[in-house]
Amino acid sequence: KAGVTQTPRYLIKTRGQQVTLSCSPISGHRSVSWYQQTPGQGLQFLFEYFSETQRNKGNFPGRFSGRQFSNSRSEMNVSTLELGDSALYLCASSSGTVYEQYFGPGTRLTVT
Amino acid sequence: AQSVTQPDIHITVSEGASLELRCNYSYGATPYLFWYVQSPGQGLQLLLKYFSGDTLVQGIKGFEAEFKRSQSSFNLRKPSVHWSDAAEYFCAVGNGNKLVFGAGTILRVKS
Repeated sequence: KAGVTQTPRYLIKTRGQQVTLSCSPISGHRSVSWYQQTPGQGLQFLFEYFSETQRNKGNFPGRFSGRQFSNSRSEMNVSTLELGDSALYLCASSSGTVYEQYFGPGTRLTVT
Repeated sequence: AQSVTQPDIHITVSEGASLELRCNYSYGATPYLFWYVQSPGQGLQLLLKYFSGDTLVQGIKGFEAEFKRSQSSFNLRKPSVHWSDAAEYFCAVGNGNKLVFGAGTILRVKS
């Protein structure tokens, strides 16, 4: 089976812009979770989607949002980018009933 | 609230030596526990997991971990480290599909 794929792998944006990241889960997986990884805060949970519904949400401002499509692919959007949003954004997929997650390679976002 | 502590930020071991990475967790119920490894510029790879049953779990790449409820620990071990094991290792506790990660331990392997 193909693994989790994330596009794009690298992004450079300017403060105030918005960005959309994409994640395609492992075939058959219905749950997609998003995490932010920074040197200062480590790995932090953003949100999880299962069957197009947000099932769980972390402690991030409303500028961070996501959605899931009927084919389980997911996107996350960050509006009004801040310098502190520079991070590696990781997507993980799971079956949704068995709680082991498989991670993609991440999208490296740099905000200037 | 769940939390995970990895007391060692960096560990250096000689190639061929044994390895133990420490992990302590705080969780109200029976935890789902995981170890992941991350190489530079890469995503996280699942090494092993504990859900229930046998407290000694085997993973990929020769790693194992032991769940000790009395100590709230889930330490990762490997009997003989290879240079390719140099990476950052993360312990995590799962609450449904939300993982709470420790801060990570960077493993350096010296030849």
